Amino acid sequence: GQQLNQSPQSMFIQEGEDVSMNCTSSSIFNTWLWYKQDPGEGPVLLIALYKAGELTSNGRLTAQFGITRKDSFLNISASIPSDVGIYFCAGQLRGNEKLTFGTGTRLTIIP
Amino acid sequence: DTGVSQDPRHKITKRGQNVTFRCDPISEHNRLYWYRQTLGQGPEFLTYFQNEAQLEKSRLLSDRFSAERPKGSFSTLEIQRTEQGDSAMYLCASSLARDSEQYFGPGTRLTVT
Repeated sequence: GQQLNQSPQSMFIQEGEDVSMNCTSSSIFNTWLWYKQDPGEGPVLLIALYKAGELTSNGRLTAQFGITRKDSFLNISASIPSDVGIYFCAGQLRGNEKLTFGTGTRLTIIP
Repeated sequence: DTGVSQDPRHKITKRGQNVTFRCDPISEHNRLYWYRQTLGQGPEFLTYFQNEAQLEKSRLLSDRFSAERPKGSFSTLEIQRTEQGDSAMYLCASSLARDSEQYFGPGTRLTVT
């Protein structure tokens, strides 16, 4: 099935650094969602975006809905050890119940 | 609000056996979804229910797969005659209404030997 392109695939950073990742699609979406997944667990919803250009924050996390509606961005400021995990974007078309997920960005914090 | 729960968390079965997984959505969520996630990939949509009605099925859902939500509350996903390619994490999610956020359960990891 279709998967959205996420970049980068993996990141190795030091604690305290800021992180940026993005997600692109060949088709437009009406909703963008960002999830975090720990090993052996289900994805946990971080941020939901509903309008093109929308910028939404959740603590140290900030996400933006791209104006073309074909991309989205997630920033994490001042990373901490519990930020380690895999971050997935997901897009949804209005009236279409299924989510289309990205390929994931794996975040690792180097001691 | 106790979140989405799934049972079992892990299942190891031999090829050819049947397996059944259960999902309990967040109470009052009338939409329930099943996704499958293989190693290194994002989740892929399998099917969804609005109340007890199964309204969409992915082409990934072969004839060996069947899902039910008989009373519009919990759901079961059965795989008959399992194959090694069925090994994956099976995720359930629920949402309150159309176009609202989907919340995932912890998943059931299936290993077919």
